Amino acid sequence: KQEVTQIPAALSVPEGENLVLNCSFTDSAIYNLQWFRQDPGKGLTSLLLIQSSQREQTSGRLNASLDKSSGRSTLYIAASQPGDSATYLCAVKPPDNAGNMLTFGGGTRLMVKP
Amino acid sequence: EPEVTQTPSHQVTQMGQEVILRCVPISNHLYFYWYRQILGQKVEFLVSFYNNEISEKSEIFDDQFSVERPDGSNFTLKIRSTKLEDSAMYFCASKPDLRDYNGKLFFGSGTQLSVL
Repeated sequence: KQEVTQIPAALSVPEGENLVLNCSFTDSAIYNLQWFRQDPGKGLTSLLLIQSSQREQTSGRLNASLDKSSGRSTLYIAASQPGDSATYLCAVKPPDNAGNMLTFGGGTRLMVKP
Repeated sequence: EPEVTQTPSHQVTQMGQEVILRCVPISNHLYFYWYRQILGQKVEFLVSFYNNEISEKSEIFDDQFSVERPDGSNFTLKIRSTKLEDSAMYFCASKPDLRDYNGKLFFGSGTQLSVL
């Protein structure tokens, strides 16, 4: 059974810092990995999606990497801003012949202080 | 950008009552999902729905739960007799049925269900 873990559970940084969020998964047979942002009491906003054949994806100040063989992904946030404060979730999808459900990590709660 | 819409945003109900959570997926999407997140816990998969039938469900999705696409736009989750432990944020999600699609899921903003 796939297990997804995110470390750290919470992170507080001063504005302007670059930071890295970590995601690890136990079963490397994945179809893709997605990073989401969740604001308190709100829904999930997809940030980046990496296919199993890809190594990284970039969107603005965000860069996500994937090392499928070691079961790890990182989300790099450059020049953090107070508006980046949120919970960041990663989720993996199994291969198509193994189902459609996403397995989520527990999230990293990020606080960027002005 | 098109959005998945969920109503209501908050629902309070008494234990044992039936509730229906409603979702309007993005119009050209054909795969529909329900996930839930109990406070302080991980987001969990409940069920996926395609071509008017359940394609996959988790252990959580027992006989108390059902899903329906009553018309061309709505997708509903019904809980027949709510329990205290059903209190959670329920998320609807959808994606298109395209051969070369990257698999990205679009989530709604959720319905916070409180069972008293």
